[in-house]
Amino acid sequence: DIQMTQSPSTLSASVGDRVTITCRASQSISSWLAWYQQKPGKAPKLLIYKASSLESGVPSRFSGSGSGTEFTLTISSLQPDDFATYYCQQYNSYPFTFGGGTKVEIK
Amino acid sequence: EVQLVESGGGLVQPGRSLRLSCAASGFTFDDYAMHWVRQAPGKGLEWVSGISWNSGSIGYADSVKGRFTISRDNAKNSLYLQMNSLRAEDTALYYCANGGGAMGYWGQGTLVTVSS
Repeated sequence: DIQMTQSPSTLSASVGDRVTITCRASQSISSWLAWYQQKPGKAPKLLIYKASSLESGVPSRFSGSGSGTEFTLTISSLQPDDFATYYCQQYNSYPFTFGGGTKVEIK
Repeated sequence: EVQLVESGGGLVQPGRSLRLSCAASGFTFDDYAMHWVRQAPGKGLEWVSGISWNSGSIGYADSVKGRFTISRDNAKNSLYLQMNSLRAEDTALYYCANGGGAMGYWGQGTLVTVSS
């Protein structure tokens, strides 16, 4: 099975900061990677698919990059609505797997 | 408007069975693969199972393989998860979601609690 490792697990940042979250796959997944945002008590929301494609309706301050085993999610200028937990997920092969999550907190 | 509505959760004793359902509307159900994803209280997301549009490709997490069975009825726009031999560690909020790999739409989840 492909293991997904996210870092950091927690991130403290201020409004306006540039934020980067890293996700590493235990083997190559090409570009079959998605990023989700989850707020407390809510279902996850798809932000990025195929490593770098922005889901419709998602603000352009979110971007994704990478391929193979190393991926990043960047928020160019953190907004109050962005404080949440973020997950990466590989869909290269079954079983699909999620990273452990990164909680973005207010500094 | 896309809607995914899960049902069938509840309190169940260890070793017993439960069947979850997900009713889909607002999109062409048989155009999409479907998935079950769970989240234990205070924990991260865990993909449980997925099924292709025509049920020709099915996958399971190692943690549920041999105990859970995913199925779908395209005529009824419905997704199912038959859960047998339930364990305490299966306690979670179970979401259904659509998408070939990246999951674009999610339901609000149904809570399964396994406890004696």
